[in-house]
Amino acid sequence: EPEVTQTPSHQVTQMGQEVILRCVPISNHLYFYWYRQILGQKVEFLVSFYNNEISEKSEIFDDQFSVERPDGSNFTLKIRSTKLEDSAMYFCASREDRGRGYTFGSGTRLTVV
Amino acid sequence: AQRVTQPEKLLSVFKGAPVELKCNYSYSGSPELFWYVQYSRQRLQLLLRHISRESIKGFTADLNKGETSFHLKKPFAQEEDSAMYYCALSARTGNQFYFGTGTSLTVIP
Repeated sequence: EPEVTQTPSHQVTQMGQEVILRCVPISNHLYFYWYRQILGQKVEFLVSFYNNEISEKSEIFDDQFSVERPDGSNFTLKIRSTKLEDSAMYFCASREDRGRGYTFGSGTRLTVV
Repeated sequence: AQRVTQPEKLLSVFKGAPVELKCNYSYSGSPELFWYVQYSRQRLQLLLRHISRESIKGFTADLNKGETSFHLKKPFAQEEDSAMYYCALSARTGNQFYFGTGTSLTVIP
């Protein structure tokens, strides 16, 4: 069964540093998403991406965040200057069309120290 | 505003007992409802969506529009069902999912 792949599985970074979280969605999927889950809290929507542009974003997704699909296979989330409160599990997801559920990646655990 | 409520943070049942994980939602239009499961240290996996009305791993869920609920049920719980379960809502015309806070199910042998 096709999978959404995320790398790295765990990243530790110092506060103020830039991080890039990488995702390879399922190849025939058209919609791409980033979600995050702070430890002990619910899964929160960050951003959706379709047709090479952001289609929706939450209030969490401020100017420190950006997404990119640089080469037709990767889908990246960049945090420019990390804060302690950015520590969370970040999930990438994709889906073929709006009528279907998401397929999630296994997540990247980001720890900001 | 869209909201998904899972009132039970923790739920423990004995193996072989029936289990019901509650989910209530608020949404003004016609939502799509989903259940996702997250086994220990693994990714979120789609378990059910109300449109398909299927049964996966013995679980079923019926959308009750009158009660705005989408409870997940299984008649006989198994130890391997122990996991975190998330109810999620998506607008039919929308894009993002709204997740509940999750219910941690423990099946006691």
